[in-house]
Amino acid sequence: EVQLVESGGGLVQPGGSLRLSCAASGFTFSSYWMSWVRQAPGKGLEWVANIKQDGSEKKSVDSVKGRFSISRDNAKNSVYLQMNSLRAEDTAVYYCTRDRIARYGMDVWGQGTTVTVSS
Amino acid sequence: QSVLTQPPSVSGAPGQRVTISCTGSSSNIGAGYDVHWYQQLPGTAPKLLIYGNSNRPSGVPDRFSGSKSGTSASLAISGLQAEDEADYYCQSYDSSLSGCVFGSGTKVTVL
Repeated sequence: EVQLVESGGGLVQPGGSLRLSCAASGFTFSSYWMSWVRQAPGKGLEWVANIKQDGSEKKSVDSVKGRFSISRDNAKNSVYLQMNSLRAEDTAVYYCTRDRIARYGMDVWGQGTTVTVSS
Repeated sequence: QSVLTQPPSVSGAPGQRVTISCTGSSSNIGAGYDVHWYQQLPGTAPKLLIYGNSNRPSGVPDRFSGSKSGTSASLAISGLQAEDEADYYCQSYDSSLSGCVFGSGTKVTVL
């Protein structure tokens, strides 16, 4: 079964850091781009960042540039999101997705992990 | 403010047909980038509903259809059913932002 399982969410103070992990199974992880998408409480979806199959290309939304970093370990079938200098507005459910970009969209989604930034 | 604009809500009676618009610009949909649609049932993760403007993944009923023209795209749901009550999002790529963009989302209510 194709599956993505996120972990690492929690409560963190403003200015703090958190590292999200996403474990993939059921498909050849190293063949796909991967993305993180977030959803603030009661709000819509926002793409956060994505990473190419071999990690050589990374892109992110302007609001997280310089604070968040995406990485992957193909040997562990995992993708990560390192989040630093967290702000209240980063509070959201963070989803890991298999991103087939361009023509095919994000065809596999994890269940999400919740990040709450509050003092 | 989302780059792709959708109506906040649409509604219809069971069996009716509803459409959801997704309006972009020359840097995303109008530039030729494909549009994808996602369905998010209450309390669950989004699910890919339509990819590449008009293609359905395996398992998606043919009641759902997508189209694209110019700087806009549309999702149509025919034969509306109670289980279609959900939030729907369009998504594309924006060359000015160099990244993925989502629509603002549309809540579909079955009357």
